[in-house]
Amino acid sequence: TQLLEQSPQFLSIQEGENLTVYCNSSSVFSSLQWYRQEPGEGPVLLVTVVTGGEVKKLKRLTFQFGDARKDSSLHITAAQPGDTGLYLCAARASGGSYIPTFGRGTSLIVHP
Amino acid sequence: GAGVSQSPSNKVTEKGKDVELRCDPISGHTALYWYRQSLGQGLEFLIYFQGNSAPDKSGLPSDRFSAERTGGSVSTLTIQRTQQEDSAVYLCASSPAPDQPQHFGDGTRLSIL
Repeated sequence: TQLLEQSPQFLSIQEGENLTVYCNSSSVFSSLQWYRQEPGEGPVLLVTVVTGGEVKKLKRLTFQFGDARKDSSLHITAAQPGDTGLYLCAARASGGSYIPTFGRGTSLIVHP
Repeated sequence: GAGVSQSPSNKVTEKGKDVELRCDPISGHTALYWYRQSLGQGLEFLIYFQGNSAPDKSGLPSDRFSAERTGGSVSTLTIQRTQQEDSAVYLCASSPAPDQPQHFGDGTRLSIL
């Protein structure tokens, strides 16, 4: 079973601060997704990365896939209260099952 | 709407009762997944459907849990003789193909008294 370790587990910051959350594994992945989940709702897909070293930007969010496709990071610039939520990474192993492995998530609170 | 729809959104029942949870995937999505999410925990995989067949049932926690999918569309997850440890949010997701990203419903919050 591939494990995805997310860090930090919890993050509480003030509006306007920058932050980075991490998703790490010892396994190589064919693709990796980042989701955001708000209370009472299901996870919403933010981005998919597939190529080692790939960087994708979504407004103030920057996603990077590690060169070896074993890890990923999500950087948020000038965080807003609307960024509050649980950030989950999910990945499928190269040549492996269609069932993605999910990390436990990073719970982010952005205070006004 | 065009998203994944789950019903009921909340279910409270007594220990020992059976419950049935429903998932309507996005039209045309062949792959369907059920997960369980407990407070402070990640998503626990339960079962995966490709069309009407379930190639992977490895995540079902006991024989009290079963699921079916009909017409390549709607799926139901049934929990028999519910226990308090079954209390959780049950999430359904679908994708156009097995190797594509998943789209989630808002889940059913199940509470066993």
